[in-house]
Amino acid sequence: GENVEQHPSTLSVQEGDSAVIKCTYSDSASNYFPWYKQELGKRPQLIIDIRSNVGEKKDQRIAVTLNKTAKHFSLHITETQPEDSAVYFCAATSFQGAQKLVFGQGTRLTINP
Amino acid sequence: NAGVTQTPKFQVLKTGQSMTLQCAQDMNHEYMSWYRQDPGMGLRLIHYSVGAGITDQGEVPNGYNVSRSTTEDFPLRLLSAAPSQTSVYFCASRPRGLSNQPQHFGDGTRLSIL
Repeated sequence: GENVEQHPSTLSVQEGDSAVIKCTYSDSASNYFPWYKQELGKRPQLIIDIRSNVGEKKDQRIAVTLNKTAKHFSLHITETQPEDSAVYFCAATSFQGAQKLVFGQGTRLTINP
Repeated sequence: NAGVTQTPKFQVLKTGQSMTLQCAQDMNHEYMSWYRQDPGMGLRLIHYSVGAGITDQGEVPNGYNVSRSTTEDFPLRLLSAAPSQTSVYFCASRPRGLSNQPQHFGDGTRLSIL
């Protein structure tokens, strides 16, 4: 089955700098890659997703890139703000079959003022 | 719409007790799933269902049972609670076929087994 590895487990950046979180996946059949943000004590919430037919997607300060050949995808946050502090999860799944969503282990991002 | 509703929000059990975590959604979503979240391990899939009457196991199904008698409800049963099942449990739903629909999560149930 699918296995998703996420790095780093913790990340601390200065406010205004950029943050990058990387994930690798094992199943070449995976074709949908969402990213979730989870604030302390809250539910995970989708912030951006990408499908395997595109290499990059951007939404304001957030972007995701996908390299299907290398089977890795990354989340980029630019001009970080204190409210970006949270735990971020990547995930992978396939549109076919059971469509089980497999999550990475999470990255705790801290934005220092 | 209430979205995905989980009850209870908090629960403390003794080892060996049984209980049912409730999950209901009012979005007519076919796909529902249960995850547990432990520190440093992300969200791990326990069981999932692609529609009423159909359930299947995820990564960590042992010690848990599920049923899906209606589209709206997907309860998770702990048969004989163990301290290793102390965790935060999230229920999620989405339409079958991903399209542009995200997975909707409930607020979670924080479960402690003593």
